[in-house]
Amino acid sequence: DSGVTQTPKHLITATGQRVTLRCSPRSGDLSVYWYQQSLDQGLQFLIQYYNGEERAKGNILERFSAQQFPDLHSELNLSSLELGDSALYFCASSVPGGVAGELFFGEGSRLTVL
Amino acid sequence: AQSVSQHNHHVILSEAASLELGCNYSYGGTVNLFWYVQYPGQHLQLLLKYFSGDPLVKGIKGFEAEFIKSKFSFNLRKPSVQWSDTAEYFCAVNLGNTDKLIFGTGTRLQVFP
Repeated sequence: DSGVTQTPKHLITATGQRVTLRCSPRSGDLSVYWYQQSLDQGLQFLIQYYNGEERAKGNILERFSAQQFPDLHSELNLSSLELGDSALYFCASSVPGGVAGELFFGEGSRLTVL
Repeated sequence: AQSVSQHNHHVILSEAASLELGCNYSYGGTVNLFWYVQYPGQHLQLLLKYFSGDPLVKGIKGFEAEFIKSKFSFNLRKPSVQWSDTAEYFCAVNLGNTDKLIFGTGTRLQVFP
C-alpha cells in the first residue's frame, strides 16, 4: 500500500458522459500527479498540482480538467467521453523536497467507455 | 523532444535465467533515473533510483541498474529471475530536477517456472 488513495477503482460509462476521479495523496505530500495508461499510448503524464496550484501540464485534452483542493485531495474531471478515453488513470504523489521524480502511485481508476 | 526508449517490449525467461532490460534516454542535461515495476493488477512502485554518486545502484528484490552517462543508458539487471518477477517494468527519467517525469513504453517480463 503506497498511501495514495484513488476512487473509484472501476467505472463503466457511455460515450458523451462526464466522470470524476478522486485522489488523496500520502499524508504530508503536497504534489499530486495524474497519469493515463492505455495499451496504445503507454503511461502519459496529464497534469501536476502542488499545494493547490497547477505546476505542470502534459498531454491533457481540453475535455479533461483537474484541480487540487485545500485538503490536498485532487479530482480529475473527464467530459464528453469517447471510446478512446478508456484507460487506467493513475494518481501519484511525491515527498516535498524529496528526489525529483520519485513518485508514489495509487492503485488506479479503470475507466471503460462503452 | 525528450524521450525514453525501452527496446524490449516483451521478454520471456525461465526461472534462474539472467535478465537485462535496456533503457536509453534523450536529454543532455542533468537527470534522475528510475525503474518502476507494475505487478499484475497492482500499482506502479519504485524498484530503484539513481540521482547521484555510484552509477551502479541496487534496488529491491535483487535488482540493480547501471547508469552509463556516455551512452545515455540505465539498464536494469538481475542475475537470476524468479517467477514472482513477472511484471511490467518501466524506465523513467526526471529532467533537470524539474517535476517532469517521462516514462518509457514499458517491458513486459514473463518468467516461467
